[in-house]
Amino acid sequence: AQSVTQPDIHITVSEGASLELRCNYSYGATPYLFWYVQSPGQGLQLLLKYFSGDTLVQGIKGFEAEFKRSQSSFNLRKPSVHWSDAAEYFCAVGARSGNTGKLIFGQGTTLQVKP
Amino acid sequence: GAGVSQSPSNKVTEKGKDVELRCDPISGHTALYWYRQSLGQGLEFLIYFQGNSAPDKSGLPSDRFSAERTGGSVSTLTIQRTQQEDSAVYLCASSPLVGTGPRETQYFGPGTRLLVL
Repeated sequence: AQSVTQPDIHITVSEGASLELRCNYSYGATPYLFWYVQSPGQGLQLLLKYFSGDTLVQGIKGFEAEFKRSQSSFNLRKPSVHWSDAAEYFCAVGARSGNTGKLIFGQGTTLQVKP
Repeated sequence: GAGVSQSPSNKVTEKGKDVELRCDPISGHTALYWYRQSLGQGLEFLIYFQGNSAPDKSGLPSDRFSAERTGGSVSTLTIQRTQQEDSAVYLCASSPLVGTGPRETQYFGPGTRLLVL
C-alpha cells in the first residue's frame, strides 16, 4: 500500500540554525512528491514539488528538498530557520497514473523555533 | 484573486444529525478535492471531482458520506447520521484540470471544523 512516513513528530531548532525534515515513502513507482506547510490558523500551502529532472528542488521561503530514489526519501531542508517558520509540515505523494489528483499525506512534523 | 472558501468555519452538531459542508473553489479550477484532518488519522483524502463527476471516491469512509458538485463550481459534502468519530477538520482544495496525476498545485481552503457531540 502507498504510504508516507515522517519519522519526526516534533522538532525544535534554534532560530538561525539549519533544518532538515525527513520524509520516506512507500510506492510502486516514483510518485509525484510534495511538501506543504500549515501555519496556525492558516490553510495548507505548497512549499515545493518534484515531478522529474533535477533531484534538488527549490521552493518558496528559502526551502529546498532532495529526492533520493535509492532511499525512497524526499527530505526538506532550510539553511537558516526564522521564527516565522514555526508550523506543521506535511510531506505528500501523488500517483503518476490514473484519473485522480489524490494526495497521500504523512502524519506531519511540528516545527518549533527557539529564539 | 479570491482563494478557496469554505462554510461554515465551525459546526457543532449532535450525534445522529445530518450536516452539509460547502466549498467554493477558485474560479476556473476544474478539479476539486475533499480531505479530512483529524488527530488520530492525520490528513486523509476523501473524494476528487473533475468537473461535476467524481472519478475517485475511494477515500469516503462509509456510505454516510456523500458529495456533489454542481455547475463545475460549488461542492457540498454531506455527512448523514453523524457519529463522534466524524469530528475533524474538513478541508477542500481546488486546482486547474488534472491530467495524469496531481501535477497541478492544490490550493486549500481554511477548512470547516466539525464537532459531533
